Amino acid sequence: DIQMTQSPSTLSASVGDRVTITCRASQSISSWLAWYQQKPGKAPKLLIYKASTLESGVPSRFSGSGSGTEFTLTISSLQPDDFATYYCQQYNGYLTWTFGLGTKVEIK
Amino acid sequence: EVQLLESGGGLVQPGGSLRLSCAASGFTFSSYAMTWVRQAPGKGLEWVSTISGIGGSTNYADSVKGRFTISRDNSKNTLYLQMNSLRAEDTAIYYCAKVQTYYYDSSGFDYWGQGTLVTVSS
Repeated sequence: DIQMTQSPSTLSASVGDRVTITCRASQSISSWLAWYQQKPGKAPKLLIYKASTLESGVPSRFSGSGSGTEFTLTISSLQPDDFATYYCQQYNGYLTWTFGLGTKVEIK
Repeated sequence: EVQLLESGGGLVQPGGSLRLSCAASGFTFSSYAMTWVRQAPGKGLEWVSTISGIGGSTNYADSVKGRFTISRDNSKNTLYLQMNSLRAEDTAIYYCAKVQTYYYDSSGFDYWGQGTLVTVSS
């Protein structure tokens, strides 16, 4: 099975900061990666798919990059609404997926 | 407007069974694969199972294989998850979600329900 390593697990940042979250796959997954945002008590929200394609309605301060084994989610200027937990997700083939363990973005 | 509404959660004893439902509206249900994702209290997201649009293909996480069965009734726009031999570690919020497109490798889960809580305890 392909293993996903998401880092950091927790990140403390201030409004206006540039924030980067990383996911590493144990073997190449091409661009088969998505990113989600989840707030407490709410369902996850799709932010980015195919590693770098922004989902409709998602603010442009969110961006994704990478291919192969290393991927990043960047928030260019952190806003109060962005304090949440973020998950990466890879497609493993044959209708199976794996989520990363998550990164909680906290107020510094 | 796409809507997904889960139901069927509740308290069940270890070894018991439960069937979750997810009523879908606002899109052509039979054209999209559907999936179940769960989240144990205070933990991260865990993919559970996916079924193709027509229902001919399914797959499961190893943690539920042989105990859970995913199915769908396209005439009723409803997704199901039959959960048998439930264990304490199955306690979680269960979300249904729509797979974005037929091109699974390029897709995420673009619409989610609000979730239904399953508690396995004696």
